[in-house]
Amino acid sequence: EVHLVESGGGLVQPGGSLRLSCVTSGFTFSISWMSWVRQAPGKGLEWVANIKQDGGERYYVDSVKGRFTISRDNAKNSLYLQMNSLRAEDTAVYYCASLGGNSWQFDYWGQGTLVTVSS
Amino acid sequence: SYELTQPPSVSVSPGQTATITCSGDKLGDKYASWYRQRPGQSPVLVIYQDTKRPSGIPERFSGSNSGNTATLTISGTQAMDEADYYCQAWDSSTGVFGGGTKLTVL
Repeated sequence: EVHLVESGGGLVQPGGSLRLSCVTSGFTFSISWMSWVRQAPGKGLEWVANIKQDGGERYYVDSVKGRFTISRDNAKNSLYLQMNSLRAEDTAVYYCASLGGNSWQFDYWGQGTLVTVSS
Repeated sequence: SYELTQPPSVSVSPGQTATITCSGDKLGDKYASWYRQRPGQSPVLVIYQDTKRPSGIPERFSGSNSGNTATLTISGTQAMDEADYYCQAWDSSTGVFGGGTKLTVL
């Protein structure tokens, strides 16, 4: 059975930093593109970032470029999101998700971790 | 930037067919996928590559994509189908979601 478990969310002041983690099991993490997707309270889904299997390619939504960094550790089946210079508009539930096939559908999702940016 | 547009809400009676549309420029040239999100839960993939169903998704879920519009169709809608539905596509390597459609089963 596939599991993705996020952690690291919490309350942080504007301008602060957080590092999210996602530990996975039940599928071959090392051959999967991975992604972070977020959802602001009461709002829709927003793609945040993707990372290739070997970490050699990374893509970000414009609003987080230069502030967020996606990374992975294939030996630990884990995905990370380093978030710096956080803003109120970054407040959201952050989901990690695996990307499947050639069409990059979000096959599996974690339960999400809430990040709240507020003073 | 690329945008996907969905109706905010769709209502359907139990047993009837629900249709949710997703519009975007030349969307038919891309692959569309659809996600169901029930209140308080994580999204679940229900359609990928325009028309394919993952294992465990009932046959009453189907999809199509042509021109500027992708469509999610739920035949014989059940109360358990009440949820928010999101379409999604890729513009180069940038992910785009539609704004979501709240499906109400009256």
